[in-house]
Amino acid sequence: DGGITQSPKYLFRKEGQNVTLSCEQNLNHDAMYWYRQDPGQGLRLIYYSQIVNDFQKGDIAEGYSVSREKKESFPLTVTSAQKNPTAFYLCASSVRVMWNTEAFFGQGTRLTVV
Amino acid sequence: AQSVTQPDIHITVSEGASLELRCNYSYGATPYLFWYVQSPGQGLQLLLKYFSGDTLVQGIKGFEAEFKRSQSSFNLRKPSVHWSDAAEYFCAVGAGYGGSQGNLIFGKGTKLSVKP
Repeated sequence: DGGITQSPKYLFRKEGQNVTLSCEQNLNHDAMYWYRQDPGQGLRLIYYSQIVNDFQKGDIAEGYSVSREKKESFPLTVTSAQKNPTAFYLCASSVRVMWNTEAFFGQGTRLTVV
Repeated sequence: AQSVTQPDIHITVSEGASLELRCNYSYGATPYLFWYVQSPGQGLQLLLKYFSGDTLVQGIKGFEAEFKRSQSSFNLRKPSVHWSDAAEYFCAVGAGYGGSQGNLIFGKGTKLSVKP
C-alpha cells in the first residue's frame, strides 16, 4: 500500500545527543515536510523540501537539520542545539507544495529526552 | 500574517447529537482551507477541503464544512456524532505567499469527546 512510514514510533534521547528520525514515502510525491506537535500548540513547520537536493527552513528550524538525497526519503536530525526536543514529530508529503493540495501524514514519532 | 483560530480547545457532545467546530482564518487572498482529523498518537487525515466554487463542501465520514467569506470562517459540521468521531480536529489555511509559502498554517486544534 502507498503511504508514509515514520520510524521509530518512540525514541529516547539523552542530553547532548543527536538523533535522526526516518521518513519514507512511496507515493511518488515531490514535496515533503516535517512538523513538530506540542500539546495545545497545533503543528509547527520545521523544514520542507519541494524537490530532491533542495530544502527550506520552516518556522522553527533552529536545532534541526534535514537532507533530501532521494525523492522517497526525508530524514530529520534533532541536534543537541535543540533545547527542548521532547515532542511528537510528524512527516508529511504532497504531490506539490502543500497549500493547494492534499497532504498525507505519517503516524508520527514521539521523541523524549531522558 | 496568515493565521487560523479555533476558539474551542475542547468540546464534549453526546452520541447522536449534532456537532459544529469553529474555525476563523486571516488571509489576504482567496483562501485554500482544510480540515484534518487526528486520532490519539496517530498522524493526520484529510476530512475535506475548500478551494473554490460551492461554499458548502462535503467530506469523508459524513462531515461537511461551510466557507463564509464575510465572516472569515470555515466551520465543520456533522448532523449526528458517532463515538468513533472522538479525536482532535485541525483547521488549516494554505499559505500561498509569505513566510510559510507553499505550506499549511494550522490552528491549535479542537479536541472532541463523545459521551455515550
